[in-house]
Amino acid sequence: DAGVIQSPRHEVTEMGQEVTLRCKPISGHNSLFWYRQTMMRGLELLIYFNNNVPIDDSGMPEDRFSAKMPNASFSTLKIQPSEPRDSAVYFCASSLTSRSYEQYFGPGTRLTVT
Amino acid sequence: GDSVTQMEGPVTLSEEAFLTINCTYTATGYPSLFWYVQYPGEGLQLLLKATKADDKGSNKGFEATYRKETTSFHLEKGSVQVSDSAVYFCALSLSSNTGKLIFGQGTTLQVKP
Repeated sequence: DAGVIQSPRHEVTEMGQEVTLRCKPISGHNSLFWYRQTMMRGLELLIYFNNNVPIDDSGMPEDRFSAKMPNASFSTLKIQPSEPRDSAVYFCASSLTSRSYEQYFGPGTRLTVT
Repeated sequence: GDSVTQMEGPVTLSEEAFLTINCTYTATGYPSLFWYVQYPGEGLQLLLKATKADDKGSNKGFEATYRKETTSFHLEKGSVQVSDSAVYFCALSLSSNTGKLIFGQGTTLQVKP
């Protein structure tokens, strides 16, 4: 079985540009999570979805960040406009149900904003 | 609020040494506890879990026991290998059963041959 798929794996962009990160969860999983990892702040939960519905977006840093899940097999995290402080590794994870705590992580997208 | 505290790293050990990584938690209710591992350049993956007090989770030679009286879930391994070099995250589930995990800050383990 394919695991969680994220694209791109690496993204380098200039400040002010729009960035879109993509995630395909494991087939049949109903919960999806977006995390951000930095040296300074560690691993932070940005937002998570159950059955394609956003449940908790309290971790989204500010209005420049938005996330969507139009269907069970695809989610996006968008940053517009991007800033250097957004540089981080962004992980997507999925789990079978909202009560299944085993989360399967993708390989991450390393974002660099110059 | 609910939180997880791990010992600061990096932890540097020689091959075959005994490993302990401390983890303590604060939570309302009865959370489940987890250890995740992140190998270089990869995402996190579940290493072991325990869902109630006194449960012992184990996998790949690693063990951790859910101690409610000391609110701890320390990770141990009797003999580490170079391939165990990674970042280890302790985590707990929120008692609200939302599927959300609270992660500790991670502890880097470096094992030297």
